[in-house]
Amino acid sequence: SYELTQPPSVSVSPGQTARITCSGDALPKQFAYWYQQKSAQAPVLVIYEDSKRPSGIPERFSGSSSGTMATLTISGAQVEDEADYYCYSTDTSGHYRGVFGGGTKLTV
Amino acid sequence: EVQLVESGGGLVQPGGSLRLSCVAPGFTLTSYLMHWVRQPPGKGLVWVSRISGDGSIAGYADSVKGRFTISRDNAKNTLYLQMNSLRAEDSAIYYCAREGTTGTYPAYWGQGTLVTVSS
Repeated sequence: SYELTQPPSVSVSPGQTARITCSGDALPKQFAYWYQQKSAQAPVLVIYEDSKRPSGIPERFSGSSSGTMATLTISGAQVEDEADYYCYSTDTSGHYRGVFGGGTKLTV
Repeated sequence: EVQLVESGGGLVQPGGSLRLSCVAPGFTLTSYLMHWVRQPPGKGLVWVSRISGDGSIAGYADSVKGRFTISRDNAKNTLYLQMNSLRAEDSAIYYCAREGTTGTYPAYWGQGTLVTVSS
């Protein structure tokens, strides 16, 4: 079955740039999406269609995708950005399925 | 504001069944593709299933295929997840989510309902 791979953890100091990667074989053909989840809360969409930011999401959040890797970048990370981040995409098998990466714990 | 409210979670014995519901106060579910996503305690998000707006197309994760059935009653504006032959590893918070305005990704999420499978 299709998988998306993320690093388990990323750590930065406040004000630094945090980069979280997501790799998957179908990413050249499918968009990547990114979610932020803080403790005991429902996930929140922070990036859609590789690089678009929903309204209300701070400009320091950005996304990009190249080949089999998508990247979430938080420029000037703040303490309140500390959370778990998940990438999401869909497979191309025709089975109408979605998949999440394993998640990355960001420590600021 | 898009609001989704899940219900139906609880404690069930291994091998048992449970039906989760998701209602959408304030908007019509009919027009939207819907997802179920789960999160085992202390672990990551796991996509479970999705269903097209008209209910004609459904997809399932391999781990639940043949045991879970996603459905919708558009007259009741409700999404369902029928879970049969439950296992301990199905224990999780179950979220329903609505697709976004530009694609079929989970964009708007409920607060989840907890399912515990244990004897």
